[in-house]
Amino acid sequence: DAKTTQPNSMESNEEEPVHLPCNHSTISGTDYIHWYRQLPSQGPEYVIHGLTSNVNNRMASLAIAEDRKSSTLILHRATLRDAAVYYCILRDVSNQFYFGTGTSLTVIP
Amino acid sequence: SQTIHQWPATLVQPVGSPLSLECTVEGTSNPNLYWYRQAAGRGLQLLFYSVGIGQISSEVPQNLSASRPQDRQFILSSKKLLLSDSGFYLCAWTRGWDTEAFFGQGTRLTVV
Repeated sequence: DAKTTQPNSMESNEEEPVHLPCNHSTISGTDYIHWYRQLPSQGPEYVIHGLTSNVNNRMASLAIAEDRKSSTLILHRATLRDAAVYYCILRDVSNQFYFGTGTSLTVIP
Repeated sequence: SQTIHQWPATLVQPVGSPLSLECTVEGTSNPNLYWYRQAAGRGLQLLFYSVGIGQISSEVPQNLSASRPQDRQFILSSKKLLLSDSGFYLCAWTRGWDTEAFFGQGTRLTVV
């Protein structure tokens, strides 16, 4: 079962930053926080992941709370191509991973 | 570089017919492999995962089965399809829980 909770939907204006929140209050010490996004009729695409420290890559930034019970995916400048469903997932050493319902991001031109 | 292949892209099958979906991974060895199903407008449901040849874990009791006859090959099967088996089937692989997962492009199955 999914161990994360996310808002069902969010909107953002094009070229503005977007902060997508995720709560994972039952996270354990070795769980990694992963983010994926899915466009319609496509497989999910990896965005970013982290353990404790904030992470940056070419797609996004991941801000992890100090107690690790929440995290935020940051898209620095939303484009129309960023419109997708964003999934926040905890992955543990068992290698199973479960998707919740995700956040559907709408980007307004 | 690593790639994942999943086929066919679309499939229309009558109720009661068998099913075989294949997924192969290239460019890596001993991957962890996964099958997911996504019903229309819903999230992804984990069906099966495998950490090695012949090792299959089932998440949901159902009309489907999975096999891993080779290290980089994962097959999803059914002997008799039900209408409720319709959906978007996705294969994925990963090296471990601390690395990213890669997904295939999916198979859209319609059972009629």
